[in-house]
Amino acid sequence: NAGVTQTPKFQVLKTGQSMTLQCAQDMNHEYMSWYRQDPGMGLRLIHYSVGAGITDQGEVPNGYNVSRSTTEDFPLRLLSAAPSQTSVYFCASSYSPLGGYPYEQYFGPGTRLTVT
Amino acid sequence: AQSVTQLDSQVPVFEEAPVELRCNYSSSVSVYLFWYVQYPNQGLQLLLKYLSGSTLVKGINGFEAEFNKSQTSFHLRKPSVHISDTAEYFCAVRAQGAQKLVFGQGTRLTINP
Repeated sequence: NAGVTQTPKFQVLKTGQSMTLQCAQDMNHEYMSWYRQDPGMGLRLIHYSVGAGITDQGEVPNGYNVSRSTTEDFPLRLLSAAPSQTSVYFCASSYSPLGGYPYEQYFGPGTRLTVT
Repeated sequence: AQSVTQLDSQVPVFEEAPVELRCNYSSSVSVYLFWYVQYPNQGLQLLLKYLSGSTLVKGINGFEAEFNKSQTSFHLRKPSVHISDTAEYFCAVRAQGAQKLVFGQGTRLTINP
């Protein structure tokens, strides 16, 4: 198993540009999520999904869109990049029956995004 | 809503010394508690978790943590650290019945030879 993969590893954008961060997992996990990591702020949840076709907002969703058309993929779209979106982005997945046993979340290696 | 506070942003210790990384949480319902470790330029991996039962939980790499419900704490300890333990450590909480994992701000552990 490759686990959770993310592409690209690094990206530089200009303000106003759009892009998609890719996330894929091969463990057949229902639950997938996106976090951003900023110094001194830990990880903050952007969006999450409990299965194909189902997504919901996390703590900091503004400026980001997600969709979940398959179990394996959960892309994160930046619609119009801003310098405040400079961050490291992590995707994570887990088995997670709704409200049930909290299986371990597996994290991808991250994407380091700089917006100038 | 749940929240997590990691009381120290940085902890420097000497090699082979003991270490404690402090974590306090707030929640109106019962919770599950986790510690994750992030080595430089890597993603997060699970160190240990408390779900129920014994309040002392053991994890990988010689770490352990104790759940204290009355103090709403889940402090992480290791009796003797190594250079390889240099990393950032995150405490996280998930309310029972909920999906979301809420993370603390992180503690950077630096081991000096």
